[in-house]
Amino acid sequence: GAVVSQHPSWVICKSGTSVKIECRSLDFQATTMFWYRQFPKQSLMLMATSNEGSKATYEQGVEKDKFLINHASLTLSTLTVTSAHPEDSSFYICSAPPGGSYNSPLHFGNGTRLTVT
Amino acid sequence: AQSVSQHNHHVILSEAASLELGCNYSYGGTVNLFWYVQYPGQHLQLLLKYFSGDPLVKGIKGFEAEFIKSKFSFNLRKPSVQWSDTAEYFCAVNANNQGGKLIFGQGTELSVKP
Repeated sequence: GAVVSQHPSWVICKSGTSVKIECRSLDFQATTMFWYRQFPKQSLMLMATSNEGSKATYEQGVEKDKFLINHASLTLSTLTVTSAHPEDSSFYICSAPPGGSYNSPLHFGNGTRLTVT
Repeated sequence: AQSVSQHNHHVILSEAASLELGCNYSYGGTVNLFWYVQYPGQHLQLLLKYFSGDPLVKGIKGFEAEFIKSKFSFNLRKPSVQWSDTAEYFCAVNANNQGGKLIFGQGTELSVKP
């Protein structure tokens, strides 16, 4: 089945540094990928829609200059948390619809646990 | 704006008990509906989905859900739960004109006692 790979699975960084998270579709092309954030014991909140070859679309309240998204190819989207602060500590999850169909169930990566000290 | 509401935050059941988790959404147009499960330490997995057709959909591991359009509901059911069903369950909605974005409910933590 369709697989979405996310790397790293966990990262610890110091406040003020930047962290890049990669999301890859392993056996299908994804013109669109979605980035979610999940706080402990809470639901997934959509942060942004990553579009191959064009700018990402951010949800209301998400700082685009802080959460930089690049969708450089049909199989790779990256999320960079710039100048990270402890409040950015969270679980970040990417997802993609296989085959580019918006009606396909999303396949999710395993997520990245970010801890900012 | 779309929203999804799950009624129960934490449900505790004994093995073999029946399960029903509530999910209501607010959106007047055509929607696709999903239930995802997240086992401890694992990523989200699709349990079942509804796009169109028979409003009673069957998923993996004996789960089913019924779409009641008039009630804007998509409740998840299982006749007899097992200890291995202990997990977090998320209801999600995708509106057909929203480009594939999923809006998730708050999640329901299910604990099944052996």
